[in-house]
Amino acid sequence: NAGVTQTPKFQVLKTGQSMTLQCAQDMNHEYMSWYRQDPGMGLRLIHYSVGAGITDQGEVPNGYNVSRSTTEDFPLRLLSAAPSQTSVYFCASSYSRGLTDTQYFGPGTRLTVL
Amino acid sequence: KQEVTQIPAALSVPEGENLVLNCSFTDSAIYNLQWFRQDPGKGLTSLLLIQSSQREQTSGRLNASLDKSSGRSTLYIAASQPGDSATYLCAVTPMIYNQGGKLIFGQGTELSVKP
Repeated sequence: NAGVTQTPKFQVLKTGQSMTLQCAQDMNHEYMSWYRQDPGMGLRLIHYSVGAGITDQGEVPNGYNVSRSTTEDFPLRLLSAAPSQTSVYFCASSYSRGLTDTQYFGPGTRLTVL
Repeated sequence: KQEVTQIPAALSVPEGENLVLNCSFTDSAIYNLQWFRQDPGKGLTSLLLIQSSQREQTSGRLNASLDKSSGRSTLYIAASQPGDSATYLCAVTPMIYNQGGKLIFGQGTELSVKP
């Protein structure tokens, strides 16, 4: 198993540009989520999904969109990038909504918005 | 609002020492508590998961305890090695989020083990 994969690993955007961060898992996990990690703020939940076709907002959803058309993929879209979205983005997945089992994290995407 | 705190923020020890990392949380209504390891520039690796009904979990040289009533967890690392150098993150899954396992993270403890 490849586990949780994320692409790209690094990205530089200009203010106002849009882009999609890709996340995929091959473990047949129902639950997937996106976090951002910032110095001094720790990791914070952006959006999550409990299954294909179902998504919901986390703690910091503004400026981001998600969709879940398949069990395997959970892309995160930045609609109009802002410098405040400069961060490291992590995708995570788990089998049982993370209530009884661990969550697996991808290697991260390091995004800089100029 | 659930808050997770980890003290100290950084810790440096000589190789071979036993050490304890601390995590505290403000609301005892949790499904579980997890300890993660994060190497520089890398993702998070799960080390131990403790369900709310459990008191401790062990994996190799690692032992994690959970005291829900006092809102505390400790991660004990025995016979530390330079390869243990990393940032250790504690996270809880609050019970109010019945739609899914949202994790609330602490800021982490950066551990350095000197040869």
